[in-house]
Amino acid sequence: ETGVTQTPRHLVMGMTNKKSLKCEQHLGHNAMYWYKQSAKKPLELMFVYNFKEQTENNSVPSRFSPECPNSSHLFLHLHTLQPEDSALYLCASSRPSRGSYNSPLHFGNGTRLTVT
Amino acid sequence: AQTVTQSQPEMSVQEAETVTLSCTYDTSESDYYLFWYKQPPSRQMILVIRQEAYKQQNATENRFSVNFQKAAKSFSLKISDSQLGDAAMYFCAYRSANNNNAGNMLTFGGGTRLMVKP
Repeated sequence: ETGVTQTPRHLVMGMTNKKSLKCEQHLGHNAMYWYKQSAKKPLELMFVYNFKEQTENNSVPSRFSPECPNSSHLFLHLHTLQPEDSALYLCASSRPSRGSYNSPLHFGNGTRLTVT
Repeated sequence: AQTVTQSQPEMSVQEAETVTLSCTYDTSESDYYLFWYKQPPSRQMILVIRQEAYKQQNATENRFSVNFQKAAKSFSLKISDSQLGDAAMYFCAYRSANNNNAGNMLTFGGGTRLMVKP
């Protein structure tokens, strides 16, 4: 039990499809994150939410649309993706990011996304 | 902007031996935090150890310890008595303590794949 659960574990989608990634945390955290992990590249921060409010959008294309309905759930809605968007998408949570600078991130197992 | 560099794409160690993974970073800030994360084949990123830049004492967690050289901007991870379960990708990460920082902006290095030989 990781405390942070991501579904689905694997996803294959066409460029015209619409799909969503889901993340759920049971750690009582109030900050949630989406990271993208591509082959041979450092992890890239995509979005940060604190208390359900988006506090960071790291210049992510609009074909990625996050949603945070409450502090325990985070979604990433995908629409008209490109093959180069194929990657491992990792969700993480932590205590509120401001004022808890050494608060570690707790990660889920990721969703392996393949865009065909 | 901060950058984190891990110069060793791959390392291998014999079981029960000691291995050191390198990490350097570039920053103009004086207060920050450094982390090592482990990513096994299960893909989950697991925190291994953390270091506050204002502390001179090197952090230690059981068989894991760091050599933090602030002036040199170096943060290496030493794994003692290596075990087969230590085989994984290891990522070094930096986080600013700047109050203006928009969030928990962890900057990661490119990772080092550690192989443990039985």
